[in-house]
Amino acid sequence: DAGVIQSPRHEVTEMGQEVTLRCKPISGHDYLFWYRQTMMRGLELLIYFNNNVPIDDSGMPEDRFSAKMPNASFSTLKIQPSEPRDSAVYFCASSLGLGRGADTEAFFGQGTRLTVV
Amino acid sequence: QKEVEQNSGPLSVPEGAIASLNCTYSDRVSQSFFWYRQYSGKSPELIMSIYSNGDKEDGRFTAQLNKASQYVSLLIRDSQPSDSATYLCAVEGGGATNKLIFGTGTLLAVQP
Repeated sequence: DAGVIQSPRHEVTEMGQEVTLRCKPISGHDYLFWYRQTMMRGLELLIYFNNNVPIDDSGMPEDRFSAKMPNASFSTLKIQPSEPRDSAVYFCASSLGLGRGADTEAFFGQGTRLTVV
Repeated sequence: QKEVEQNSGPLSVPEGAIASLNCTYSDRVSQSFFWYRQYSGKSPELIMSIYSNGDKEDGRFTAQLNKASQYVSLLIRDSQPSDSATYLCAVEGGGATNKLIFGTGTLLAVQP
């Protein structure tokens, strides 16, 4: 397996524009996580899915953020409209499961570096 | 109080020394604990997991868990310059949604 694949790797956009980040999890993984990383706040969990169903979106900062997982192999994180304070690295991660044991290991994609100007 | 807390560092140790990284967490029902390493500009990668009180050793790495005190630590023996990175502590909450929460990380610098 190629691992978790994210696209694009870098995105520069103007304030007010819509931004869509994409993620392909590892095949067979039931859990998918979206994280945002900044120097100030570290790695923040935005939302996670189990079997394509959103389980906890309490980390989504505002209504401008939305995430979908239409099938087991694809997820999107959308920001509309984007603002400069959304600039960060956005990571997608997947795991076999949550709970004790090796199934819990979360594998990360390479991240999308978003810059909103 | 943050759910997972770490000293941001930087922690500077000489090559060959033992590096000790610490983490505390707030949710008493947490069940699973992880240490991830993140090199600058790269994504986090898992280096250790621990689920029971006590020590767990893997090569030069030892994870220690004390659930009563709600802390988890990582020891790196014979530190190498290649160990220089940010080390992230992650805790899986034992609540209904089982979230995997990360600390802000400790920057380790191993001096040659």
